[in-house]
Amino acid sequence: GENVEQHPSTLSVQEGDSAVIKCTYSDSASNYFPWYKQELGKRPQLIIDIRSNVGEKKDQRIAVTLNKTAKHFSLHITETQPEDSAVYFCAASAYNQGGKLIFGQGTELSVKP
Amino acid sequence: GAGVSQSPSNKVTEKGKDVELRCDPISGHTALYWYRQRLGQGLEFLIYFQGNSAPDKSGLPSDRFSAERTGESVSTLTIQRTQQEDSAVYLCASSLVGAGGYTFGSGTRLTVV
Repeated sequence: GENVEQHPSTLSVQEGDSAVIKCTYSDSASNYFPWYKQELGKRPQLIIDIRSNVGEKKDQRIAVTLNKTAKHFSLHITETQPEDSAVYFCAASAYNQGGKLIFGQGTELSVKP
Repeated sequence: GAGVSQSPSNKVTEKGKDVELRCDPISGHTALYWYRQRLGQGLEFLIYFQGNSAPDKSGLPSDRFSAERTGESVSTLTIQRTQQEDSAVYLCASSLVGAGGYTFGSGTRLTVV
């Protein structure tokens, strides 16, 4: 089955710097890659996603890139702000698995003012 | 409803007792998923329902865990003879298959004492 590895487990940046979180996946049939943000004590919230027919997607300060050949995808946050501090999870799914998401272990991002 | 609703929000139970957790998905969402999140950990897939198809139970950790869903409505996750290692937040999510990311509920925080 699918296995998703996420790095780093913790990341600390200064406000205004960029943050990058990387994930690799094992199942070449995976074709959908969302990213979730989870603030302390709250539910995970979808922040951006990408499908396998696209190499990059941007939404304001957030971007995701996908390299299907290497089976890895990354989240980029620019001009970080203290409110970006949270745990971020990547995930992968294959349509033939019914959309079941397999999650990475999470990255705790801390943005210092 | 407007979102995914889970109940109870918190449950404290004695070791060995059975517990039942409930999830009410977004109306019209055909897919429903259960995940477990231990403290400081990632999201561990448990079970997936899609319409009237047989559920994907591949993530259930033991035969003490079971889940049911009637049609495309409410689902219940039952844990029999609870153990301390069952303590976690149990998250439910729903989606339209093929439409992308999930919407998560707020979770049930289960504490086994």
